[in-house]
Amino acid sequence: GQSLEQPSEVTAVEGAIVQINCTYQTSGFYGLSWYQQHDGGAPTFLSYNGLDGLEETGRFSSFLSRSDSYGYLLLQELQMKDSASYFCAVTKSSGTYKYIFGTGTRLKVLA
Amino acid sequence: SAVISQKPSRDICQRGTSLTIQCQVDSQVTMMFWYRQQPGQSLTLIATANQGSEATYESGFVIDKFPISRPNLTFSTLTVSNMSPEDSSIYLCSVEGQGAFFGQGTRLTVV
Repeated sequence: GQSLEQPSEVTAVEGAIVQINCTYQTSGFYGLSWYQQHDGGAPTFLSYNGLDGLEETGRFSSFLSRSDSYGYLLLQELQMKDSASYFCAVTKSSGTYKYIFGTGTRLKVLA
Repeated sequence: SAVISQKPSRDICQRGTSLTIQCQVDSQVTMMFWYRQQPGQSLTLIATANQGSEATYESGFVIDKFPISRPNLTFSTLTVSNMSPEDSSIYLCSVEGQGAFFGQGTRLTVV
């Protein structure tokens, strides 16, 4: 089978740094990506890790360790607009590619 | 990233009827994906649609309930057939990029 686990909820204050973890178990792992979804909106792509290590995109960074089947999304200088749900997703390769999503983490940013 | 247009954006349907959701992409893509997102939940992959071949369905989803068409490299439809209230959900089409990119979704309510 396959599973992607995330904390269900994280709360932090404006200006803080927060880390959202994702642990996965799957065959055919190809990469890990992260998405943000505001209430009523569609998921939007944030970051992708195909190799081990850290990828930085502005205030957001994402990390992958294939050997640990683990990744995280790091959000710095939190803003109120960062309040949203965040999903990790595994890219699986078994002939064709497909994206399997994690359980999701609801981030609340407090003033 | 591709621009994905999905319609209708929302609908309220009677049980026992069917609804066809359309997804148009502004560039040619090999694979298109259809997801379901139930309220407060993560995204569940329904099927992968490649042009010129039958869609590949994930466990728990069958063609009779969710027939998919993929007539060309920029367009796909998903039909939700013989609907029941349990089909009330957001349905999202997606295409592959460095990550997954989504249309704005179809919010379906079955009464």
